[in-house]
Amino acid sequence: DVKVTQSSRYLVKRTGEKVFLECVQDMDHENMFWYRQDPGLGLRLIYFSYDVKMKEKGDIPEGYSVSREKKERFSLILESASTNQTSMYLCASSSGGGRQNEQFFGPGTRLTVL
Amino acid sequence: AQSVTQPDIHITVSEGASLELRCNYSYGATPYLFWYVQSPGQGLQLLLKYFSGDTLVQGIKGFEAEFKRSQSSFNLRKPSVHWSDAAEYFCAVPNTGNQFYFGTGTSLTVIP
Repeated sequence: DVKVTQSSRYLVKRTGEKVFLECVQDMDHENMFWYRQDPGLGLRLIYFSYDVKMKEKGDIPEGYSVSREKKERFSLILESASTNQTSMYLCASSSGGGRQNEQFFGPGTRLTVL
Repeated sequence: AQSVTQPDIHITVSEGASLELRCNYSYGATPYLFWYVQSPGQGLQLLLKYFSGDTLVQGIKGFEAEFKRSQSSFNLRKPSVHWSDAAEYFCAVPNTGNQFYFGTGTSLTVIP
């Protein structure tokens, strides 16, 4: 079974803190994605990566950065957390190439920024 | 540009009743289409996907979806809903780079 794990299910941080969200997949997938999910807005893509040390901006990258030093791990970084970054964050992975490849999701991290 | 629209934000059905969730897509070529389900507090799980061929696709948990090119639709159906089907449902279409575009979701409530 494909497994995508996220380091925390719930996280509470203060405004201005640096926040790290970690995601690990165990299926040797090339592609990894970070989304945020907000009511009424669905899932919006923040960043994605097709390979180690590669990253591409998604639709809403402002205020975020990412790191992919190893194939199985994709980290989302909030350099200086703000209250408008309170959200559910979902990580996903998929095998390379082909639009037919499904994305596998982690359980999500619900981040609250106070 | 590719996109999907889910016109219904929230649907309530009685347990045992039939269900249809709507999804309309915008895509220049033949689309690949996916339906995902998200149970409360969980990540997304794939229900079914369409690539080509038979326009009626069977998925897990008794769900099916029908691709209708003439209507640009890929509606999800279930003949008899169970209380455990209460969840949020997302339709999605990938682009050539394997990025997914998700609809805004439909929240399903099942009443006894």
